[in-house]
Amino acid sequence: AQTVTQSQPEMSVQEAETVTLSCTYDTSENNYYLFWYKQPPSRQMILVIRQEAYKQQNATENRFSVNFQKAAKSFSLKISDSQLGDTAMYFCAFGTGSQGNLIFGKGTKLSVKP
Amino acid sequence: DTGVSQDPRHKITKRGQNVTFRCDPISEHNRLYWYRQTLGQGPEFLTYFQNEAQLEKSRLLSDRFSAERPKGSFSTLEIQRTEQGDSAMYLCASSTWGQFNEKLFFGSGTQLSVL
Repeated sequence: AQTVTQSQPEMSVQEAETVTLSCTYDTSENNYYLFWYKQPPSRQMILVIRQEAYKQQNATENRFSVNFQKAAKSFSLKISDSQLGDTAMYFCAFGTGSQGNLIFGKGTKLSVKP
Repeated sequence: DTGVSQDPRHKITKRGQNVTFRCDPISEHNRLYWYRQTLGQGPEFLTYFQNEAQLEKSRLLSDRFSAERPKGSFSTLEIQRTEQGDSAMYLCASSTWGQFNEKLFFGSGTQLSVL
């Protein structure tokens, strides 16, 4: 069975600084994809970034980038130039082409301080 | 594209009562998912549909839970004989299924409180 582990329940960062959120996963699948979702307080969950396992190049979306280490089964999210609006719960998620659902970690609560 | 909408946003009920939630996905999306999220946890998969067919159900989905998507558009999730342990946020998500192209769009959820 696949599992997703986020070992940092809470983190904080000063505005304009960089922060890295950790995620590890366990699977025997070779083809899969990984996601980071953001859930702001009392608002709906939105996709931040996604990574296909067969791609060696790390995904980047503006200030958000990932460090995907397939052999280590690690998938961390780096947020550069943190903004107050980045304050949210961040969930790492795992999915495969052979199953319909995503498996989520327990989340990391990120607070960006002015 | 108005996004995924869920109704109601909040539901308070007494133990033993039945409740029904509705989800309207993004119109062109053929897949629809139900997740449950409790405080401090990530979403847990309950079930999903491709068009009107219910393709997978989690073992979390006891026989008190039933979900339908009669015409492949909106979906309902019904909980019969509610228990206090059913208190949670129920999230709906939709997607357009493509090979290795899974991307979920979530609704704002229905917060259920069972007293």
